[in-house]
Amino acid sequence: GQSLEQPSEVTAVEGAIVQINCTYQTSGFYGLSWYQQHDGGAPTFLSYNALDGLEETGRFSSFLSRSDSYGYLLLQELQMKDSASYFCAVRVRYGGATNKLIFGTGTLLAVQP
Amino acid sequence: DTEVTQTPKHLVMGMTNKKSLKCEQHMGHRAMYWYKQKAKKPPELMFVYSYEKLSINESVPSRFSPECPNSSLLNLHLHALQPEDSALYLCASGAGQGDTQYFGPGTRLTVL
Repeated sequence: GQSLEQPSEVTAVEGAIVQINCTYQTSGFYGLSWYQQHDGGAPTFLSYNALDGLEETGRFSSFLSRSDSYGYLLLQELQMKDSASYFCAVRVRYGGATNKLIFGTGTLLAVQP
Repeated sequence: DTEVTQTPKHLVMGMTNKKSLKCEQHMGHRAMYWYKQKAKKPPELMFVYSYEKLSINESVPSRFSPECPNSSLLNLHLHALQPEDSALYLCASGAGQGDTQYFGPGTRLTVL
């Protein structure tokens, strides 16, 4: 089967750095995405890694190791508004030329003053 | 316009009602998706349309019926739902199937 695992909750203080890990077991892997979802809101795209290495977008960075089936999202200079759920999502082959996203279990990040 | 819109925002319906959820995007995206999300859970894929054709149906019960009238619109017709179908229903679109998906704000559905 296909599975993605993330820590259920992470707590950090304002200004700190936090890393949210994602390990996956999937077939037909194309890449790893990260989404942020505030309570009551819609998932918002943060980043996508198709190849090994680090991608940086402002305060957020995302890393992928395909050989280890592992990735992480790094949030720097944490702000209160970063309190949200974070989902990793794997893009996998569904059949033929069709592919889809499978979402991880989600990590609830609480940023404290 | 970089937005996916969904209507209604909230919907309460009885188990014998028929209702429809609507989704619209004007980004020229060719792939559109319906997801179901329960509280504190990840989104679960229901349907995928690619170039207005249904390409994925994740074994969703027939009481949910999708429709893609044109490249900008996606509907989800609901009939004879069960209380366990109460959830947030999210629509998303992407430039192509498998590309980055952009989500609408969702419709919070309550089935009584």
